[in-house]
Amino acid sequence: SQTIHQWPATLVQPVGSPLSLECTVEGTSNPNLYWYRQAAGRGLQLLFYSVGIGQISSEVPQNLSASRPQDRQFILSSKKLLLSDSGFYLCAWSVDRGYGYTFGSGTRLTVV
Amino acid sequence: AQTVTQSQPEMSVQEAETVTLSCTYDTSESDYYLFWYKQPPSRQMILVIRQEAYKQQNATENRFSVNFQKAAKSFSLKISDSQLGDAAMYFCAYRTKTSGSRLTFGEGTQLTVNP
Repeated sequence: SQTIHQWPATLVQPVGSPLSLECTVEGTSNPNLYWYRQAAGRGLQLLFYSVGIGQISSEVPQNLSASRPQDRQFILSSKKLLLSDSGFYLCAWSVDRGYGYTFGSGTRLTVV
Repeated sequence: AQTVTQSQPEMSVQEAETVTLSCTYDTSESDYYLFWYKQPPSRQMILVIRQEAYKQQNATENRFSVNFQKAAKSFSLKISDSQLGDAAMYFCAYRTKTSGSRLTFGEGTQLTVNP
């Protein structure tokens, strides 16, 4: 069966520090991968998506970047965090547009 | 731009009663898929139900059903026999052929279930 792992679950980082959030998928090949951010009590904002290794599309210009070094690995990074980067980050995957996404358990990031 | 509107930021229902959450969307395409996601306090996103736009029959999953009105671009979620565990944020979403694999989400409806 397919599973998605996302870590860490919680992260507190100082302003100006780097960030690396990792997401891996098991049990499927060539998935479409996504990073979303959710502010408290709000909807989901698509940050990046990838349809293949090394292929990254950015939806919103910001302080973050994404990479896909392996087929089932998706990484969200920042060189220097801002206070506004705080939020709940969700990784997701899909293989067919007829189906919804499967989401990871999320990372709660607080920048202090 | 493709949009999804959930006009009810908050809803409440008594346990065992029925509640309907509203969703409208805007697309000029005829080939698309619609979804309802549930996000409980754990914040894990869970797929509740999906609907294919070319199917006229409304989707049903146990106590969850949809009322899909394609001409009106409406996709409401009905929860029957509400349970305390149904309390969550509910998101409506869709994806079209031209949007590729990207889902467009609404802002969500916070559902409270009262005992």
